[in-house]
Amino acid sequence: GNSVTQMEGPVTLSEEAFLTINCTYTATGYPSLFWYVQYPGEGLQLLLKATKADDKGSNKGFEATYRKETTSFHLEKGSVQVSDSAVYFCALRLNTGFQKLVFGTGTRLLVSP
Amino acid sequence: DGGITQSPKYLFRKEGQNVTLSCEQNLNHDAMYWYRQDPGQGLRLIYYSQIVNDFQKGDIAEGYSVSREKKESFPLTVTSAQKNPTAFYLCASSMGSGRVSGELFFGEGSRLTVL
Repeated sequence: GNSVTQMEGPVTLSEEAFLTINCTYTATGYPSLFWYVQYPGEGLQLLLKATKADDKGSNKGFEATYRKETTSFHLEKGSVQVSDSAVYFCALRLNTGFQKLVFGTGTRLLVSP
Repeated sequence: DGGITQSPKYLFRKEGQNVTLSCEQNLNHDAMYWYRQDPGQGLRLIYYSQIVNDFQKGDIAEGYSVSREKKESFPLTVTSAQKNPTAFYLCASSMGSGRVSGELFFGEGSRLTVL
């Protein structure tokens, strides 16, 4: 089956630290990959995406590269801010027909001043 | 502005009561979804609809019902048969199956508490 595995949180960092949140996937085909962010009490927002191998998604200083050989899509940011504190979800969707998004369990990031 | 509107934001229910959560979108999206989120857990799919007048069960459909009479609207009813309904409910929409990117757009969520 299709699944997404994320590192468990919470991830606790000081402001300006480097962030990595690991995400690996299992898929029967060739998926598109996504990172969503959820701020407290809100719905999810798309942060970035990549639709094929070696693509790099980027937004708001966050980056993730689609690595087919390691089936990974790790989220990185060079210098986190307090406002980045949120829950981050990795997700995949197969690119054939109508396919539901499959989400990881989410990783909570806490950034302190 | 285009988007997804969920209401109410907070809802309290007594045991044995049915409640309906509203979800409206003006993005002209074909597909709509309902997810449930519990503390410290990921999103679990309850129901989804690819097109008007059609919907399918997701992974945890028991105790829930939906309708899709209009493209813009996808209400979720939490019935008394749902044994543990206290949760955060998220509605989402996306363009149809012809769109490869599959991006979901989410509403702000509805928090249901059973007293």
